[in-house]
Amino acid sequence: QVQLQESGPGLVKPSETLSLTCTVSGGSVSGGSYYWSWIRQPPGKGLEWIGYIYYSGSTNYNPSLKSRVTISLDTSKNQFSLKLSSVTAADTAVYYCARGYGTSRFMDVWGRGTTVTVSS
Amino acid sequence: DIQMTQSPSSLSASVGDRVTITCRASQSISSYLNWYQQKPGKAPKLLIYAASTLQSGVPSRFSGSGSGTDFTLTISSLQPEDFATYYCQQSYSTPFTFGPGTKVDIK
Repeated sequence: QVQLQESGPGLVKPSETLSLTCTVSGGSVSGGSYYWSWIRQPPGKGLEWIGYIYYSGSTNYNPSLKSRVTISLDTSKNQFSLKLSSVTAADTAVYYCARGYGTSRFMDVWGRGTTVTVSS
Repeated sequence: DIQMTQSPSSLSASVGDRVTITCRASQSISSYLNWYQQKPGKAPKLLIYAASTLQSGVPSRFSGSGSGTDFTLTISSLQPEDFATYYCQQSYSTPFTFGPGTKVDIK
C-alpha cells in the first residue's frame, strides 16, 4: 500500500524559500501514469492545488504561483520535492503531497500534511 | 481557470438522513469531477472520481452523478463518521481547482 509523508521546516522567514519533501513508500515515483502533486490549505480555508510532476519528469504549475514554484523528482530516494521562493505570510498553510492517477488525474493517496508558518 | 462552486456551504443533518451536495463548474468539465471528504486535522480522502466512480473501500452509501457543469454527491443514509467537510475538484484542465467546501454537521 502506497504511503506518502511530507517533511521539512515548520517555520520559514519572509522572503526565504520554503522547501518540502514527500517520501513515497510502498511504490515507486518512477512508476507509470502517476502525477505527484502538492496541494496547500491556509488555516481555516479551502484547498489550493500548487502543481504536479509527472513520473516522466514533466511539470505543471498553478499560474498563480508559477513564478515561485519548483517541483522536482528524486528517483534514487523515491521522493519528490517542493520549493516555493519569496514566501510571505500568505503562504502559511498546511502543505499536502498527493498521488494523482490516470487520465482522470484524481488524487487517491495523500500524505498527512505538514504545517508551514511564515514568520520572522 | 475553471471556477467551482458548491451548495450549500454548510448543512445540519441527523443520522440516517439523505444528504445531497451540489457542485457546479464555470464551464463544461465532462466527467472530470472528483469528491473528497476532509475531517478536522486530517488530509482529504478521495470518495468519488470521474463524477460517479466509487473509490475502493468507500461505503456504498456515497454516490456521485452529473456531467458537464452540474454534479451531485449523495449520502443515502448519513452515519456519525460522515460529519465532515466535502470538496469537489475538477481535473479537466490545469490549474486543478476545488470548490469552497460543504460542511456537514450534526443537527
